[in-house]
Order: sequence, then C-alpha cells, then structure tokens
Amino acid sequence: DVKVTQSSRYLVKRTGEKVFLECVQDMDHENMFWYRQDPGLGLRLIYFSYDVKMKEKGDIPEGYSVSREKKERFSLILESASTNQTSMYLCASNRRTSNYGYTFGSGTRLTVV
Amino acid sequence: AQRVTQPEKLLSVFKGAPVELKCNYSYSGSPELFWYVQYSRQRLQLLLRHISRESIKGFTADLNKGETSFHLKKPFAQEEDSAMYYCALARGNQGGKLIFGQGTELSVKP
Repeated sequence: DVKVTQSSRYLVKRTGEKVFLECVQDMDHENMFWYRQDPGLGLRLIYFSYDVKMKEKGDIPEGYSVSREKKERFSLILESASTNQTSMYLCASNRRTSNYGYTFGSGTRLTVV
Repeated sequence: AQRVTQPEKLLSVFKGAPVELKCNYSYSGSPELFWYVQYSRQRLQLLLRHISRESIKGFTADLNKGETSFHLKKPFAQEEDSAMYYCALARGNQGGKLIFGQGTELSVKP
C-alpha cells in the first residue's frame, strides 16, 4: 500500500518556537506539496516541490519555508511559530506525469499557544 | 483569476434522498476538475476526475463549461456518504498544483 507519512499527528508548540513538520513518501513521486486546511477556507497551498532541492511558493508562503534534500522527504518549517499558524497541515505527493491525482498524508494538527 | 467556489458549507439530507454538491470554477483555459473526499478520521482521497467520466460509489460529476460548474451528484444518498467533500481545479501548466474549494460537509441522516 503506497503511503505518504507525516511524522506527527498532533503537535503543540509555543509562540516563537521553530517547528519542523516532516513528510515522507514511498512512491518515488517527483512532486510534493504542503497545504494547510482550515474550516471554511478549504485547502491552501503553502509550498510545492517538483524535484530534489527545487521549490516554489504557493498561495500562502509567508512565515513558512521548506526543505527537500531527498526525493522522498519534504519538510515544512515554521521559523517562528505564531498563533495564526494553528491549523491542520496536509502533505501530498504525485507523479509529475500523472493526471493530478494526489496521495495525501493523514495530516498534522498543529496548535501554537 | 483561478478560483473554485463551493457555496454550501453544510448539506444535510436523509438517507435515500438525492444529493447534489455544488462546485463552480473560474478558469480561462480548458479546466481539469476533481472531487476529493475526507471521511471521518481518514485521510483526504481522490473520489473522481472529470476526464475519466466515471462513477465512483454511485457519485457522478459532469463538467458544464457554459455554467462553469462541476457539481457532484448521487441519486440515493447513504449514511456512509457522510464526509467532507472538496472540489479542485488543476492549474494548467503549473506542475500539478491544485486549487481547492472551501469544502462542503455532507451529512446523511438515517
């Protein structure tokens, strides 16, 4: 069974902390994505990576950065967490030549206090 | 601007009733549209895509370019259909990025 695995299901962090969210996929997919999911707002793209060390900003990149040193791993970094970054974070991946069907991780619910 | 709108936050129906979840899009080119579903305590998963013209779990969706809509329909709702549904639009020539709508929660009552 193919998988996208997010390392933590729940995280609680303090304002100002540096936070790392990890995502690993075992499908050899080129594309990986980080979205945040908020009620009433749907899913909004934070960052996108189409290859190792390659990244593009999504619609809401402010306050976030990403790292993709290996094909299977895509990390989302909150440099200085703030309360408005409390959200559900979803990682997804797909093959570059696919018809956009994503495989999603189970999500990380981050609470910043 | 590219946009996906799902006008209903919550749709509540009784078992056996027809269901229609609305999705409207704004896109200047030829759109590729999808429906994703998230059941309680499960991960988001692809339900269907318009290019396949398929029926999954009794659901169908037809692309109407004139009305810029991609509504999801099922003639007889089941309790297990209760979930959050997201409509998504592929951003052409942008490497697989999807724009998602706000989501509609479907509640099917017994």
